[in-house]
Amino acid sequence: SQTIHQWPATLVQPVGSPLSLECTVEGTSNPNLYWYRQAAGRGLQLLFYSVGIGQISSEVPQNLSASRPQDRQFILSSKKLLLSDSGFYLCAWTKTGRGNTIYFGEGSWLTVV
Amino acid sequence: AQKITQTQPGMFVQEKEAVTLDCTYDTSDPSYGLFWYKQPSSGEMIFLIYQGSYDQQNATEGRYSLNFQKARKSANLVISASQLGDSAMYFCAMREGGGGSNYKLTFGKGTLLTVNP
Repeated sequence: SQTIHQWPATLVQPVGSPLSLECTVEGTSNPNLYWYRQAAGRGLQLLFYSVGIGQISSEVPQNLSASRPQDRQFILSSKKLLLSDSGFYLCAWTKTGRGNTIYFGEGSWLTVV
Repeated sequence: AQKITQTQPGMFVQEKEAVTLDCTYDTSDPSYGLFWYKQPSSGEMIFLIYQGSYDQQNATEGRYSLNFQKARKSANLVISASQLGDSAMYFCAMREGGGGSNYKLTFGKGTLLTVNP
């Protein structure tokens, strides 16, 4: 069966520090991968998605970036965090094809102080 | 304009009763999919149920059913026989387009469901 994992689960980072969140999917190949952010009390906002290695599409201009160095690995990064980057970050995946469900990882709580 | 609207910020239901969570959507794409997710306090997004725009019958998954009214552009979630563990935030989401490789979900703002004993 397919599984998705992301880490770290929780982190507190000072303003201006770098960020790296990692996500991996097991049990499938060539998945579509996504990074979402959920601010407190709000819905989910799509940040990045990827349909293949090295292929990244950005939905929202910001100081975050994403990379997909391997087929089932998706990384969210920042060189210098802002206070507004605080939130709950969710990695997700889906199979390519019509009508497939998007499944989410456990999420990462980021607090920028 | 919002693509997914959930008009109920919070809902209360008694244990063992049924509850309906509202969702309306806006799209001009004839091919789309509608999803419901549950988010407990732990934060994890749990997939509940899916309805495709061309599906003839309303989707059902155990105690969850989706009341799909295409002409009204609504996709309400019905939870039967509520349990205390159903207390969580519930999100309605839509994927536009039926093919290709772009599967972006647009989410509503969610409904916080509280099940009372």
